[in-house]
Amino acid sequence: QQQVKQSPQSLIVQKGGISIINCAYENTAFDYFPWYQQFPGKGPALLIAIRPDVSEKKEGRFTISFNKSAKQFSLHIMDSQPGDSATYFCAASRDGGSQGNLIFGKGTKLSVKP
Amino acid sequence: NAGVMQNPRHLVRRRGQEARLRCSPMKGHSHVYWYRQLPEEGLKFMVYLQKENIIDESGMPKERFSAEFPKEGPSILRIQQVVRGDSAAYFCASSPKTGVYGYTFGSGTRLTVV
Repeated sequence: QQQVKQSPQSLIVQKGGISIINCAYENTAFDYFPWYQQFPGKGPALLIAIRPDVSEKKEGRFTISFNKSAKQFSLHIMDSQPGDSATYFCAASRDGGSQGNLIFGKGTKLSVKP
Repeated sequence: NAGVMQNPRHLVRRRGQEARLRCSPMKGHSHVYWYRQLPEEGLKFMVYLQKENIIDESGMPKERFSAEFPKEGPSILRIQQVVRGDSAAYFCASSPKTGVYGYTFGSGTRLTVV
């Protein structure tokens, strides 16, 4: 049973464009939703995270949009750059993140073309 | 200030051999988490340990897999009698306290079973 569904599996965007990655979750107990960025041969690194008490959070070119009623959240990368080419994972955790483990989506491989 | 150190980076084992993966947490971190990443899949939680204690092993396969985090030294993930299906990237994360805040991942160990 996949508790966090992520789409698309891969994404190609032109430099300067907007990259959008979507995730949907099933467990209403989830209340902490981080996004991770992973480069080849490296471990995931936290990019940005949101709690369900806000509908949007922005950090630089990265924005998370959250729709609690639809149980969906998405990552928007504005002005995408070739250096953003990586695999992006959404994740979820319970109890505001105080639980020790994350449930990950399957990942989206983003390629930004120059 | 070294990050989470995992070794070896790459490990090749023949079917039936044992694999030992090591993880040294960041300085000041006493919580360690192991995840497994199969090809084209997201990370899946395996086990959560504090010094000398297993806190949550709900993601560990029932057989052949074990983990420890001794008082001194790195955390060890041990896989006995490896099979081809064990081929994956194994990531360790550490944090200064319970929960996903401050989670820092290592660069992983790529295990190949031949």
